[in-house]
Amino acid sequence: DVKVTQSSRYLVKRTGEKVFLECVQDMDHENMFWYRQDPGLGLRLIYFSYDVKMKEKGDIPEGYSVSREKKERFSLILESASTNQTSMYLCASSLSGTEQYFGPGTRLTVT
Amino acid sequence: QKEVEQNSGPLSVPEGAIASLNCTYSDRGSQSFFWYRQYSGKSPELIMSIYSNGDKEDGRFTAQLNKASQYVSLLIRDSQPSDSATYLCAVSPNTGNQFYFGTGTSLTVIP
Repeated sequence: DVKVTQSSRYLVKRTGEKVFLECVQDMDHENMFWYRQDPGLGLRLIYFSYDVKMKEKGDIPEGYSVSREKKERFSLILESASTNQTSMYLCASSLSGTEQYFGPGTRLTVT
Repeated sequence: QKEVEQNSGPLSVPEGAIASLNCTYSDRGSQSFFWYRQYSGKSPELIMSIYSNGDKEDGRFTAQLNKASQYVSLLIRDSQPSDSATYLCAVSPNTGNQFYFGTGTSLTVIP
């Protein structure tokens, strides 16, 4: 079974803090994705990566950056957290052209 | 126009009935189609994938794809209260690894 893990289920941070969200997958997938999900807005793609050290902007990259130094790990970085970044953050991975598998999600609250 | 559109619901069906969930997409070149189930507070879980026109059955679930009409549906037979969740339709275009997700349809199965 594919397993995607995320570093935290719940996280509370203060405005202006730098926040790191980690995602690890164990199925040797090339592609990894970061989404945020907000009520009424659905899943919105922040960034994705199709190879080590490669990244592509998604629909809402502003205020975020990513890092992929190893194939199995994809990190999302909030450079200076703001209250409008309070959300559920979901990581996913896939082989090319196939289904995406999601991690359990991190519910981030920025106060 | 959104890439993927779903009726947000809520859709309510009695236990034992057939639930029908619908999804339309705008990119005529799309090749891969997926249905995810998401329980409240949890991450999306893949339940069906379909790649060619016609029906694909898996237990109580049937996915139907009509590329000419740009339409994909999910039927849930003998609906159970445990099927109560939000169902997300996802479409993968002809090129690239990005998915487009609908905003989801909320289903409630009434005992």
